[in-house]
Amino acid sequence: GQQVMQIPQYQHVQEGEDFTTYCNSSTTLSNIQWYKQRPGGHPVFLIQLVKSGEVKKQKRLTFQFGEAKKNSSLHITATQTTDVGTYFCAGWGGNKLVFGAGTILRVKS
Amino acid sequence: DAGVIQSPRHEVTEMGQEVTLRCKPISGHDYLFWYRQTMMRGLELLIYFNNNVPIDDSGMPEDRFSAKMPNASFSTLKIQPSEPRDSAVYFCASSSGRGNEQFFGPGTRLTVL
Repeated sequence: GQQVMQIPQYQHVQEGEDFTTYCNSSTTLSNIQWYKQRPGGHPVFLIQLVKSGEVKKQKRLTFQFGEAKKNSSLHITATQTTDVGTYFCAGWGGNKLVFGAGTILRVKS
Repeated sequence: DAGVIQSPRHEVTEMGQEVTLRCKPISGHDYLFWYRQTMMRGLELLIYFNNNVPIDDSGMPEDRFSAKMPNASFSTLKIQPSEPRDSAVYFCASSSGRGNEQFFGPGTRLTVL
C-alpha cells in the first residue's frame, strides 16, 4: 500500500540553527500537506502544496514539493524555541491519505 | 465557530468495556476523519466520511471498532470490547473538501486498564 516515509525521526538543534525534515512517498501524490503538533496538543495545518516543483514560504518556513510529486521538505531557518513540536507531512494518493511518522524538533536555548 | 468538538477529553475504562467517542465537526464541513495516535504507530487514519457516508475504513484495526455518522453534525467511534492495546489519543478532524486543510479536535485520551 501507499507509504509516506519521513526523516529524521528526531532532531535536537541549538536555537538559531536551521532544521529540515523530508517526506518521501512510494506513490505519486495529488497534494501534500504539512502539520505541526505541539507537545500535548493536536495537529495544526501549516500549508498545502499541489503543483510539481512548488515552493512556498511562511516567514522562516520554506516548503517544497518535488518535481515528481513524490517528495517534499520543510525547512526552518534560524529556529526559535517556539518551533518545538512534531512536524507531519500528509499526502493524498487516490482515495488514501497517509501521514508520515513525524519529525520531533527540540530547540535548545 | 468553536472548532471541532470532541468528548470526552479523557476516558479511563477497564478491559472488556464498551467505549464511545464523540465528535462534532465544524459546521459546513462535509468530510470527517477519525485518527488514532500512539508513540509506537504514530498518527493513523482509521476511517473518513464524506457527506455522512464512510468512504475508506481500511484503517479500522478490527471488528471491535465501528464508526457512524448519523448526521452532518455528529459522529461516533465505538470500541467494543475495549482492550489495553486500544489505549491511545483519538482525534477527529473535519474539512471542507477531500484535499483541503483539516481542522483537528483536541482529542480524546483513552486508557484501557
